[in-house]
Amino acid sequence: AQSVTQPDIHITVSEGASLELRCNYSYGATPYLFWYVQSPGQGLQLLLKYFSGDTLVQGIKGFEAEFKRSQSSFNLRKPSVHWSDAAEYFCAVGAANFGNEKLTFGTGTRLTIIP
Amino acid sequence: NAGVTQTPKFQVLKTGQSMTLQCAQDMNHNSMYWYRQDPGMGLRLIYYSASEGTTDKGEVPNGYNVSRLNKREFSLRLESAAPSQTSVYFCANRVGNEQFFGPGTRLTVL
Repeated sequence: AQSVTQPDIHITVSEGASLELRCNYSYGATPYLFWYVQSPGQGLQLLLKYFSGDTLVQGIKGFEAEFKRSQSSFNLRKPSVHWSDAAEYFCAVGAANFGNEKLTFGTGTRLTIIP
Repeated sequence: NAGVTQTPKFQVLKTGQSMTLQCAQDMNHNSMYWYRQDPGMGLRLIYYSASEGTTDKGEVPNGYNVSRLNKREFSLRLESAAPSQTSVYFCANRVGNEQFFGPGTRLTVL
């Protein structure tokens, strides 16, 4: 069964500082990987996704993530955070085989931005 | 959000009451999903539907039923609500290999 671990429950970063959110997955085949963001009281918005090819993927709002198969990781990064980035971030994994459409989510990382 | 709408936005129930959460998409996509979100637990899949007329259990289906009578709508029913079902419920559809989420329904069971 697939699983996702987000080891950091809560991270606090100063505005303008760099950010890295960790995500480790477990899956026996080639995974599809996603990062979603959820602002308070809102639904989930897709930040970026990895299916295949270049292991460094760019997303919206200046975010990027790197797929490292050897480490089973898909960490999210941003060079300089803005106060509007304060939100909860979820990593998710799905199976890259036709017909299996389920996503498994991590427990999330809450990001706080301080001035 | 790829045109996913949910009603109601908020609901308070008493233990034992029943209700149906509605989800609709305005696009002609096959797959739809129901998740619940609880603090510290992320999103967990309750049921999903790969196409009209078909449904399958997810990770936490107990206490819920679903109905996919047409391609557009996918409803989630609580027959006898319990306090453990207090949660935020999200519906999603699938566009290609991506899932898009509705705004959610916040349900409280007293």
